[in-house]
Amino acid sequence: NAGVMQNPRHLVRRRGQEARLRCSPMKGHSHVYWYRQLPEEGLKFMVYLQKENIIDESGMPKERFSAEFPKEGPSILRIQQVVRGDSAAYFCASSPRQRNNEKLFFGSGTQLSVL
Amino acid sequence: KNEVEQSPQNLTAQEGEFITINCSYSVGISALHWLQQHPGGGIVSLFMLSSGKKKHGRLIATINIQEKHSSLHITASHPRDSAVYICAAWDNYNQGGKLIFGQGTELSVKP
Repeated sequence: NAGVMQNPRHLVRRRGQEARLRCSPMKGHSHVYWYRQLPEEGLKFMVYLQKENIIDESGMPKERFSAEFPKEGPSILRIQQVVRGDSAAYFCASSPRQRNNEKLFFGSGTQLSVL
Repeated sequence: KNEVEQSPQNLTAQEGEFITINCSYSVGISALHWLQQHPGGGIVSLFMLSSGKKKHGRLIATINIQEKHSSLHITASHPRDSAVYICAAWDNYNQGGKLIFGQGTELSVKP
């Protein structure tokens, strides 16, 4: 049973380009969470999705950022018109059920560097 | 003040020492996680606690709900324990995915 898979592992973009980060949850997990870790800062919640639904996007910046988790395929975190401040490590995690006391399984992260 | 505070921020220990990392939180929580982040960046969930104490190998995690405090202990520490340890709380009032993270404790165990 493969763990949470994130790709790419490293992504380099120039300012103004789009970044697409992918997360495939563990088999049987239908809940996906995205977190961002800015340099020298702690992890921060971004968005929580179930299949085809955004449940909580209170941590997402209001502009340029979007997330989806389609019926088929991985969850995608999309950042349009990237800026240098978007450079960070982006982690996703998955869980099988919607309960606040459910153990989370994390991916290895995508390190986004904006030049 | 952060809603989840960890101490110390950095910790250096000699191999074999007993290590304690503390986590205090100010929000009502339904559960608390201890996570380990390796130098390569990957994150592993060590424990999920809502009360009492859990043990896994050389790792022990405790939580005191009344005092809003949790501790992670490592017995007989080893250089491979070197990592960043992060506590994260599930907010009681949020049914979504909003974990609130501490800043992390960077542990270095010297041989």
